[in-house]
Amino acid sequence: EPEVTQTPSHQVTQMGQEVILRCVPISNHLYFYWYRQILGQKVEFLVSFYNNEISEKSEIFDDQFSVERPDGSNFTLKIRSTKLEDSAMYFCASSAIGTPYPNTGELFFGEGSRLTVL
Amino acid sequence: KQEVTQIPAALSVPEGENLVLNCSFTDSAIYNLQWFRQDPGKGLTSLLLIQSSQREQTSGRLNASLDKSSGRSTLYIAASQPGDSATYLCAVLISSGSARQLTFGSGTQLTVLP
Repeated sequence: EPEVTQTPSHQVTQMGQEVILRCVPISNHLYFYWYRQILGQKVEFLVSFYNNEISEKSEIFDDQFSVERPDGSNFTLKIRSTKLEDSAMYFCASSAIGTPYPNTGELFFGEGSRLTVL
Repeated sequence: KQEVTQIPAALSVPEGENLVLNCSFTDSAIYNLQWFRQDPGKGLTSLLLIQSSQREQTSGRLNASLDKSSGRSTLYIAASQPGDSATYLCAVLISSGSARQLTFGSGTQLTVLP
């Protein structure tokens, strides 16, 4: 069964360092998302991406964050200068759209990348 | 802004009991509603998806219902087992043009005692 894969599963970094989290969405999907979950808190929406551009972003997704689909298969989240409060589990998701697939709008999530900022 | 609330926050039941988890949302203009399971420190496993035009979905011992007009969904778990112990998350999808956003509740932490 097709699945969303994320790397790395866990990354430890020093405050102020740049981090890139990588995701390979399901191959025929066209919508891509990043969510995050701080330990013990709700899963929060960061950004959605469609047709090679951001379609929506939350107030969390400030100038320190960026997303890219560099090669038609990977979808990356970059945090330019990490802060302690960026420590969280980051989830990538993808969903399908349109003909010939039924557009259920179901999001399929990866296993997450745990980011620890020291 | 869509708000999703889940009650109770935590639930502990003996094995074999039937149970109901509740989810409510403030904006009824949803595209669909998904129930997820999350084990500690792990990812999100999709359990059931209900389209906005549907009333319920079933998968094995799980049954989810949706009352869009009242902004409520329930997840019914029959004959609970210790392996069902996890956090159950409800999430609603709003779709507007090319923008799609899934809003999550805080979850119900379920413990099934052997």
